[in-house]
Amino acid sequence: DAGVIQSPRHEVTEMGQEVTLRCKPISGHDYLFWYRQTMMRGLELLIYFNNNVPIDDSGMPEDRFSAKMPNASFSTLKIQPSEPRDSAVYFCASSPVGAGANVLTFGAGSRLTVL
Amino acid sequence: AQKVTQAQTEISVVEKEDVTLDCVYETRDTTYYLFWYKQPPSGELVFLIRRNSFDEQNEISGRYSWNFQKSTSSFNFTITASQVVDSAVYFCALSDENYGQNFVFGPGTRLSVLP
Repeated sequence: DAGVIQSPRHEVTEMGQEVTLRCKPISGHDYLFWYRQTMMRGLELLIYFNNNVPIDDSGMPEDRFSAKMPNASFSTLKIQPSEPRDSAVYFCASSPVGAGANVLTFGAGSRLTVL
Repeated sequence: AQKVTQAQTEISVVEKEDVTLDCVYETRDTTYYLFWYKQPPSGELVFLIRRNSFDEQNEISGRYSWNFQKSTSSFNFTITASQVVDSAVYFCALSDENYGQNFVFGPGTRLSVLP
């Protein structure tokens, strides 16, 4: 398996623009997570899905952030409109149930810079 | 509430030295999981180990070893004969039996191994 795949790896945009980050989880993993990493706040969980259904989005900073998982192999995290304080590395992770439960496999991350 | 503390923000050692990274956790759960992840300069998060709360046996994997002590709520990580390639940020994490908000990462310890 190719692991968790995220795109784009780097995104530079201007304040007010819409940003869409994409994630393809590992096939067969039932859980998908979106994390944000900043120097000030470390790794923060934004939202997670189980079998494509959002379970907890209480970590989403505000209404400008939204996430979807239309099928088992694809998820998006959208920021509209973007602001400079959204600059961070956004990680997607997936996890199976069963023997490998709780072990998150992370993607390489998407580094977002909002000017 | 669950909490993970990594008191060492940065550590520098010279190659071949042994180094221990400290992790102290707080939880009210009787069943929980502890993890270590490595984040090398390339940025991805790499899973190293998972330990459940019922297994206090220490574990060794090559140059890596982990010491889990429930009495002191600690899950320390030792690298023996450190190498330059060990330079990374290391995160300790805690999860209960379920997913989501209860998966908490520590702030990380940046390890620099100098040649």
